[in-house]
Amino acid sequence: KAGVTQTPRYLIKTRGQQVTLSCSPISGHRSVSWYQQTPGQGLQFLFEYFSETQRNKGNFPGRFSGRQFSNSRSEMNVSTLELGDSALYLCASSLGGGSGELFFGEGSRLTVL
Amino acid sequence: KQEVTQIPAALSVPEGENLVLNCSFTDSAIYNLQWFRQDPGKGLTSLLLIQSSQREQTSGRLNASLDKSSGRSTLYIAASQPGDSATYLCAVPRFTNFGNEKLTFGTGTRLTIIP
Repeated sequence: KAGVTQTPRYLIKTRGQQVTLSCSPISGHRSVSWYQQTPGQGLQFLFEYFSETQRNKGNFPGRFSGRQFSNSRSEMNVSTLELGDSALYLCASSLGGGSGELFFGEGSRLTVL
Repeated sequence: KQEVTQIPAALSVPEGENLVLNCSFTDSAIYNLQWFRQDPGKGLTSLLLIQSSQREQTSGRLNASLDKSSGRSTLYIAASQPGDSATYLCAVPRFTNFGNEKLTFGTGTRLTIIP
């Protein structure tokens, strides 16, 4: 059974650009969550999608957005990149029932220059 | 607001020893607690999930306990091996109207097993 797949694994952007990250959840999982990990702030919740609807949102500016497709794959987008957006972006999938286990991908390492 | 604390931040032990990692949380109204490990530059690997109705969960050399009333969980690793070296994170979900996939993470314990 394939795990959570995130692409790209590494990317370098410059300030002001935008970036799109992709996440394919485990087959059968309908919930996809996104987290940002930085040395200073640790792991912080960005948002969660279930059946193409955003159910939960963290405290991030509107430059951070996401969506989920009918096949449960999800994308997140960051516009007008800032240096502070440099981070490891992690995607997690779960069945979505509320008390289940979350499974994470390897992450997308974003560096903003 | 839920706060999750993991102490110590770093721990070094000789190979073969048993060890305990600690996790504490401020809001005991949780559905479950999950332990993860993270290797440098990698994603998170789920180790154990304890539901709020359980007190213990075991997987191989790992045993996790949960005491909701005191806001504590421990991860016990038996017969430690160099391959256990990693950062260990605990996480609890924040209840929302639509489920609880919104996790609050501890800051982690960086474990080093000395051969």
